[in-house]
Amino acid sequence: GQQLNQSPQSMFIQEGEDVSMNCTSSSIFNTWLWYKQDPGEGPVLLIALYKAGELTSNGRLTAQFGITRKDSFLNISASIPSDVGIYFCAGQGGSEKLVFGKGTKLTVNP
Amino acid sequence: EPEVTQTPSHQVTQMGQEVILRCVPISNHLYFYWYRQILGQKVEFLVSFYNNEISEKSEIFDDQFSVERPDGSNFTLKIRSTKLEDSAMYFCASSVTGEWYGYTFGSGTRLTVV
Repeated sequence: GQQLNQSPQSMFIQEGEDVSMNCTSSSIFNTWLWYKQDPGEGPVLLIALYKAGELTSNGRLTAQFGITRKDSFLNISASIPSDVGIYFCAGQGGSEKLVFGKGTKLTVNP
Repeated sequence: EPEVTQTPSHQVTQMGQEVILRCVPISNHLYFYWYRQILGQKVEFLVSFYNNEISEKSEIFDDQFSVERPDGSNFTLKIRSTKLEDSAMYFCASSVTGEWYGYTFGSGTRLTVV
């Protein structure tokens, strides 16, 4: 089945540092999504990418959709304590379901 | 901002018991979904529902699972005879078109099977 490989699994950074995480897949997805999940909550959409090669920003977040539609990265600049959480990539391709990566757990030390 | 509402937030049940997890999707949404997340793992698709029928389901969604939209507002997931491995966070989601846009998740129901 379709799978997304997300890395790194976890990150420990100092406040103010930049962060980068990425996802790769052996399958092509029409849309790549980046979600953030806080403890005890559902995933919340951060950025959606639907054009190959597209680079999109949302405040301090920047994400790119790979030209092959098989990979994406998410950058967070100047991290702050509220960036703490689990970040998931997800792909949608050919059906309504979303396929999620395993997540990157981000810890920001003040 | 419109929300997907799930109840209860936490349910504890004995193995072999039936459970029903409830969701109220966003009112103008037409596509409804259930996902689950075993503790510390990724979010996994269970089932999608459109026009009063299942449109897609995963291999996790076996005969022990069923979904229903009993009225115009609720969307339920029933697990007929719970197993220990059904313990997970269950997320309901809804969307307008089935595309990523407007795909909104609820806060989840934590199911603990003992």
